[in-house]
Amino acid sequence: EAQVTQNPRYLITVTGKKLTVTCSQNMNHEYMSWYRQDPGLGLRQIYYSMNVEVTDKGDVPEGYKVSRKEKRNFPLILESPSPNQTSLYFCASGRKGDSPLHFGNGTRLTVT
Amino acid sequence: TQLLEQSPQFLSIQEGENLTVYCNSSSVFSSLQWYRQEPGEGPVLLVTVVTGGEVKKLKRLTFQFGDARKDSSLHITAAQPGDTGLYLCAGSSGYSTLTFGKGTMLLVSP
Repeated sequence: EAQVTQNPRYLITVTGKKLTVTCSQNMNHEYMSWYRQDPGLGLRQIYYSMNVEVTDKGDVPEGYKVSRKEKRNFPLILESPSPNQTSLYFCASGRKGDSPLHFGNGTRLTVT
Repeated sequence: TQLLEQSPQFLSIQEGENLTVYCNSSSVFSSLQWYRQEPGEGPVLLVTVVTGGEVKKLKRLTFQFGDARKDSSLHITAAQPGDTGLYLCAGSSGYSTLTFGKGTMLLVSP
């Protein structure tokens, strides 16, 4: 089954404690992206990757890091999480950047 | 910066009613995608419209792309509780990534 898998689904952490949210896709897609979704603000793009070893900033990259060492995986790293990063995060993949996207089921992050 | 404005932001209706939601921009898009996001899940693609004036039907959902490819609408006939969710439009304009609207939250009550 074609899917984008994110882990964990829920995460509660404290300010400053480094965390990683994993994302994996099994569709051999070249494009992958991370979004955060907040009430009233819609989906905002954090980082995206057009292919292996190629990553670019989206609209709200501050406080986040990503890596794309292999095609299937695109982890999101928060080196020092802060409460304003409390949000619902989605990973997505597609054949290319403006193709229809497959989304994961989301990671709800709470930073206290 | 390209923007997609969706309206209304919220819509609460009774089962069996018809409704239309809109996705508008001042920019031209080469194609437009519609997604539905159910509570607790990620957005799922419903349809892509590519040609100006194009109409696509998906059961009780009718999608239209404006002639000038700047706007789109989604019409639902005889809405059902299972149609409840956040409807998102996303435009492709040849740049690297999609532009998403903020969505229309639809609640259909039995």
